[in-house]
Amino acid sequence: KAGVTQTPRYLIKTRGQQVTLSCSPISGHRSVSWYQQTPGQGLQFLFEYFSETQRNKGNFPGRFSGRQFSNSRSEMNVSTLELGDSALYLCASSLVGEFHNEQFFGPGTRLTVL
Amino acid sequence: SQQGEEDPQALSIQEGENATMNCSYKTSINNLQWYRQNSGRGLVHLILIRSNEREKHSGRLRVTLDTSKKSSSLLITASRAADTASYFCATAAGGTSYGKLTFGQGTILTVHP
Repeated sequence: KAGVTQTPRYLIKTRGQQVTLSCSPISGHRSVSWYQQTPGQGLQFLFEYFSETQRNKGNFPGRFSGRQFSNSRSEMNVSTLELGDSALYLCASSLVGEFHNEQFFGPGTRLTVL
Repeated sequence: SQQGEEDPQALSIQEGENATMNCSYKTSINNLQWYRQNSGRGLVHLILIRSNEREKHSGRLRVTLDTSKKSSSLLITASRAADTASYFCATAAGGTSYGKLTFGQGTILTVHP
């Protein structure tokens, strides 16, 4: 099976712009979670989608949003970018997203905000 | 904010030695998982231990969990240069915490050939 894929791998934006990141889960996985990784805050949970519904959300401002399509692919969007949004954004998929499952991570999208 | 702390923050050893990393967490959990990350890439799942388990093995990995102390340890035996990476513990709370893992700060392991 192909692993989790994320596009693009690298992105450079300027403050105030918006960005959309994409994640394709492992075939058959219906849950997609997103995380932000920064040197200062570490790995932080953004949100989780299952069957096109957001079931769980972390403590991030409303500028961070996401969605999931019927084929389980997911996108996350960050509007009005700030310098502090520079980070590695990771998505992870699992079969059904229950808490007892392991998650499989993609390689990440490295976002730099100038 | 992070669920807990990992100790040590950095560990440097020689090939063939054992490496032990510790993780503490704050709230009750359903399970605890360990992940490895190479050079800012994606995370690779290593092992999952449930809250009713005390010890688990997988190849050269041994994980222990003490829910009374809210702590876990990861032991890598006979380490190799290829084990050089950052190691993270992550907790899953259960209940309605769908798809959410709460990560520790990580331990940077360097194994010298």
